Amino acid sequence: DTAVSQTPKYLVTQMGNDKSIKCEQNLGHDTMYWYKQDSKKFLKIMFSYNNKELIINETVPNRFSPKSPDKAHLNLHINSLELGDSAVYFCASSQDPHMASLLYEQYFGPGTRLTVT
Amino acid sequence: GQNIDQPTEMTATEGAIVQINCTYQTSGFNGLFWYQQHAGEAPTFLSYNVLDGLEEKGRFSSFLSRSKGYSYLLLKELQMKDSASYLCAVRPDYGGATNKLIFGTGTLLAVQP
Repeated sequence: DTAVSQTPKYLVTQMGNDKSIKCEQNLGHDTMYWYKQDSKKFLKIMFSYNNKELIINETVPNRFSPKSPDKAHLNLHINSLELGDSAVYFCASSQDPHMASLLYEQYFGPGTRLTVT
Repeated sequence: GQNIDQPTEMTATEGAIVQINCTYQTSGFNGLFWYQQHAGEAPTFLSYNVLDGLEEKGRFSSFLSRSKGYSYLLLKELQMKDSASYLCAVRPDYGGATNKLIFGTGTLLAVQP
């Protein structure tokens, strides 16, 4: 009955490889997010999708490509991995934020620890 | 630009009260969130403030002053399990268009016996 799940939990790979991280939520939410948490524990938004439509795209290298096959899934594909991509990647979801000032708390997945060697 | 500041680390004693401060300067303001993150785990939601004042939830309370760009999280009757990072986050986009959150660097709280 996990709310937001991610696979894999750990990913160790070499520079130059291409890898994907999958995320699924069973909360019935319309909006999903990808965050990157670096070694200093700084959590930064990367992307957000609402009903399969991209609504947030922060300054992220175009080696990172999110894909949302349906509103319950948001996958992250990374091409040509670099050492600096090593981090923990968190997926999150929330209700559709169509009303200002309401809570719309984000529920986070367990994270994927990516290590690039 | 977007800037959210918190102390990096704090130490407190079991049973005591601790206040974790957060100051922010963002392009807009549509709510401030506090999240708790234990080592190696996901952030979990603690509290939300959008209007000035104090919100209380059990042992945890959060305060907001929008005019000062300031919030604090107050933890009472500290327990060892409260040892974690506490993340302050601001939602800058009014109108709810994106629900984007800008996080501070987090405050690592160590509770000692």
